[in-house]
Amino acid sequence: KAGVTQTPRYLIKTRGQQVTLSCSPISGHRSVSWYQQTPGQGLQFLFEYFSETQRNKGNFPGRFSGRQFSNSRSEMNVSTLELGDSALYLCASSLAPASTDTQYFGPGTRLTVL
Amino acid sequence: QKEVEQDPGPLSVPEGAIVSLNCTYSNSAFQYFMWYRQYSRKGPELLMYTYSSGNKEDGRFTAQVDKSSKYISLFIRDSQPSDSATYLCAMIPDEKLTFGTGTRLTIIP
Repeated sequence: KAGVTQTPRYLIKTRGQQVTLSCSPISGHRSVSWYQQTPGQGLQFLFEYFSETQRNKGNFPGRFSGRQFSNSRSEMNVSTLELGDSALYLCASSLAPASTDTQYFGPGTRLTVL
Repeated sequence: QKEVEQDPGPLSVPEGAIVSLNCTYSNSAFQYFMWYRQYSRKGPELLMYTYSSGNKEDGRFTAQVDKSSKYISLFIRDSQPSDSATYLCAMIPDEKLTFGTGTRLTIIP
């Protein structure tokens, strides 16, 4: 069974631009969660989608948004990029909601904002 | 103060040694405790999952939870070079995973 895939793996953007990251969960998984990982803050929860509905949201500004499609694939969008948005963005999928089931992580998208 | 504190290391130990990794937390509402391992350029993978206070063993790995002290540990016995990775503790308070910052571990052959 294929694991969680994320595209692209690497991105370089400039301040003020916007970016869209994509996540394909493991087949059959309905929950997708997004995390931001930085050396200083570690892994921080962004949001979780389950069956196309946002189930939980972390403490990030409204510039960070996401959505989930009927096939469970998910996208994350960051608008008006700031230097501090440079990070590894990870998505994780699970069969059931993340709080009740094991999450499987993808390899991440490394975003660099110049 | 962060809800979950974890010493970032780095921690270097010789092959075969027992490794002890620790996290403390401040919120007594945390109920579920996990340890993830993350290799370079990879996403985290779940190692151990526990709910109650006490010890849980899985092969060379032992997870320990002390809810009264708000302290969790991961012990690795007979450490191998393949155990070199970043180890993250994680907890669930209110249906969201909260992670520690991770400890970078290197096992020296």
